Amino acid sequence: KAGVTQTPRYLIKTRGQQVTLSCSPISGHRSVSWYQQTPGQGLQFLFEYFSETQRNKGNFPGRFSGRQFSNSRSEMNVSTLELGDSALYLCASSLESGANVLTFGAGSRLTVL
Amino acid sequence: GEDVEQSLFLSVREGDSSVINCTYTDSSSTYLYWYKQEPGAGLQLLTYIFSNMDMKQDQRLTVLLNKKDKHLSLRIADTQTGDSAIYFCAESKEQAGTALIFGKGTTLSVSS
Repeated sequence: KAGVTQTPRYLIKTRGQQVTLSCSPISGHRSVSWYQQTPGQGLQFLFEYFSETQRNKGNFPGRFSGRQFSNSRSEMNVSTLELGDSALYLCASSLESGANVLTFGAGSRLTVL
Repeated sequence: GEDVEQSLFLSVREGDSSVINCTYTDSSSTYLYWYKQEPGAGLQLLTYIFSNMDMKQDQRLTVLLNKKDKHLSLRIADTQTGDSAIYFCAESKEQAGTALIFGKGTTLSVSS
């Protein structure tokens, strides 16, 4: 079956703009989690969505938001982009909320100029 | 506090065994994971171990968990050049759901 699909794979934005990233989970998976990966901070948890509700949130400012649709697809949005938001954004899906096995997508690489 | 630490680099010769080490600080961890990341790719789950186990073997991979010392290791037998990648150790806690805490990753370089 198809894996976790993230779009776009690469994008370039300028400071102050906003960006929306999309994630389609594995068919049947209902939980979607987002992570930010940077060389300095490593992998950090952003948030988890399950049944269209945010179940858990990491320590990120309110400029980072997300949502989940009824088909389990998820989007994350970053507003008022800063240079430090340049990162690989990874989406992971799992069968249920709190499930211990996460399957990651290939990521969306965001560059902020 | 929550912290997962790994050494940054490991270099081995093809055919040798590789051992990647990880320490964690949170004794309430429920699962511990090993993920692999190749250039330009996402994270691939290699294996995971429940915190009440001390060993798990899966083909060329052996995971050892010393809960007393909060030490986790991943042994790759007969290491191949295709094993060259970054390996991440991660922990989870029951109440934290999918919010895994990751180490900074160990870059494994395999030379032929």
